[in-house]
Formats: sequence, C-alpha cells, structure tokens
Amino acid sequence: QITLKESGPTLVKPTQTLTLTCTFSGFSLSTIGGGVGWIRQPPGKALEWLALIYWSDDKRYNPSLRSRLTITKDTSKNQVVLTMTNMDPVDTATYFCAHAYYRDSSGYFFDYWGQGALVTVSS
Amino acid sequence: DIQMTQSPSSLSASVGDRVTITCRASQTISTYLNWYQQKPGQPPNLLIYGVSSLRSGVPSRFSGSGSGTEFTLTISSLQPEDFATYYCQQRYFFGGGTKVEIK
Repeated sequence: QITLKESGPTLVKPTQTLTLTCTFSGFSLSTIGGGVGWIRQPPGKALEWLALIYWSDDKRYNPSLRSRLTITKDTSKNQVVLTMTNMDPVDTATYFCAHAYYRDSSGYFFDYWGQGALVTVSS
Repeated sequence: DIQMTQSPSSLSASVGDRVTITCRASQTISTYLNWYQQKPGQPPNLLIYGVSSLRSGVPSRFSGSGSGTEFTLTISSLQPEDFATYYCQQRYFFGGGTKVEIK
C-alpha cells in the first residue's frame, strides 16, 4: 500500500524559504519507473504542477517557477524534499506530493497522493 | 510552454446525464494526457491515464479519448458521487479544471 505525507511549516514569512518534506512508504525511489512530484493548489483555485524527481534522479521543474524550486530525494529515508525560495503571499496554497508512475506508452501519471499541507505566507 | 485549456470551466447536469469535458493543448502533444477527479477537501484522484486507459477500480462510465491537441473525458451516465472538479494533465501542466455541479 502506497502512502505519502507532506510535512513542513504551516506559516512562512514573505521572502523566506519554504522547505517541505514528503515521506512515503510502499514503494522505493530506486525502482525504475517511479518518481515523486509536487503540486500545489491555492485556496479555491486550480492545481499547479511544481516539480518532479524520477528514480534516476532526473528532475523537472515548472518553467515559470524554476528559479525558485529545488527538488531532492533521499532514497534511504524514503523522502523527497522541495524547497521554494523567496516566498510571497501568492504562494499560499495546499502543497501535495504524489507518487508518479512512468510508462513508455503513457508517460507518467500521479496515482497516489498525500492529503496535502496548507502553507500560508504572511508577515 | 504548453497551455492546457479545459472547457467548460463549470457545468450543471442531472443524474443520468452524459457529460463531456474537453481539454485542448496549445500544441500537439503525445498520448501523455491524464484525467483526475477532485472532491472538496480531498487530493485529486487519477481516473484516466495515457488518454484512454481507465485506472483499475474506476467505474466504466468514465472514458477518455482524443489525439493531437484535443482530448475529452466523458461520463456516460452521471452519478451523485461524480459531482466534483475534473482536471486534465499533460506532462508538466494541469488544465484549469471543470466543476461539475448538480442541476
């Protein structure tokens, strides 16, 4: 059974750096075809794709946020960490991590999600 | 960057109705198109992957189709539990969502 859980601060100040940790179980990030992604959702708004790290350590970032994002993995701890610099009130959102499964014919898809963590940016 | 445009942004329908949601890409994309359902206070749930593959356990009233730049999610007979927001996703982009409400 695959589970994921996001953890990190619930409140950050503008200009600060946000660090979120996704702790997962039920799969290994050393298994070919696996990955973990981060997606966020401002209150009442649509989903926004942020970043993805594959089993191979290949990384992908949202082009509009690339300069602010870093995604890393610790395979031994079953964790993926996302850092976002220079936080702004518009970054207030629920941040989800999700298991990504890659198939040659279908690309990748997010088949298991964490419950999400609400991060508020305010002074 | 690829833009994913969903239409309509919202719709009202009755139980038993056939519902179609469209996702248009700003450029030709491969078969890497997925659909998710999200209910209030919950994370999204994968319904369809690779344009038309139904995830195991998802009711067969959900189906996906399309190619090139236009893709559709169809619910053949809307059920009470289907009232939710639906998102398409292509690689690193999500559509803006379609909220399906009760008429």
